[in-house]
Amino acid sequence: AQSVTQPDIHITVSEGASLELRCNYSYGATPYLFWYVQSPGQGLQLLLKYFSGDTLVQGIKGFEAEFKRSQSSFNLRKPSVHWSDAAEYFCAVGASNAGNMLTFGGGTRLMVKP
Amino acid sequence: DTGVSQDPRHKITKRGQNVTFRCDPISEHNRLYWYRQTLGQGPEFLTYFQNEAQLEKSRLLSDRFSAERPKGSFSTLEIQRTEQGDSAMYLCASTSSKGGYEQFFGPGTRLTVL
Repeated sequence: AQSVTQPDIHITVSEGASLELRCNYSYGATPYLFWYVQSPGQGLQLLLKYFSGDTLVQGIKGFEAEFKRSQSSFNLRKPSVHWSDAAEYFCAVGASNAGNMLTFGGGTRLMVKP
Repeated sequence: DTGVSQDPRHKITKRGQNVTFRCDPISEHNRLYWYRQTLGQGPEFLTYFQNEAQLEKSRLLSDRFSAERPKGSFSTLEIQRTEQGDSAMYLCASTSSKGGYEQFFGPGTRLTVL
C-alpha cells in the first residue's frame, strides 16, 4: 500500500523568502505525484503533478517540484513567497494500477510573516 | 466548465439522523471519487466510481455509508444513523480515465454531528 509523509506540520517563512516543503512517498510502482493547496474551509486546488519525464515540474502560482526516485521524494519549492501563499499544502500519490485513488500526506500549514 | 459542485456546503445534524450529500462532477469526467477529511488531517479515500459502477470502497466506508452514481453523472453519499465521529469535511473529486489523471475537487460538504 502507498503512503505519504510530510515531515513538517507547520512552517513559517517571511514574505519574499524562499520555500521548500518536504514530501516522501512509498509506492511499489511508478508513482503519480501531486501537490494540492487548500485555503481554510475550501476544497483542494491542484498546484502541479508528475507522471513521467522531466523530473522538475512547473506548476501554477510560481511553484515547482522535483521528483527524486532515489530519495522517494517530491519536494515543493517557491523562490519568493507571497502573503497570499499562506494555506495548507498536501502532497499525494496516486495508485496508477488501481483507479488512481489518492493517498495524501498529513499536510503542511504554511504561515507567511510580513 | 463549471467545476465540481457539492451540495450542501454545510450540514448540521443530530446524532442518529440520516444525511445525504450530492456531488456534480465536471461534465465530461467519467470517474468520481469521495474523500473524507477530518480537522488537521489530509483527505482519506472512501470510494470511487467509473461511470455508474462503484469499483473500489475503502475499509473506512462502514455499512452505515452508501454511495450511488445511478446514471454515471452526479453522485450521492448517504450516511445513516450518524455518529459524532462522522463529523468531517466530505470532498468529491472527478477526473477522466482518458486524461491526465489529475483529480479536480469540489468545495466540500462540512458535516457537524451534534
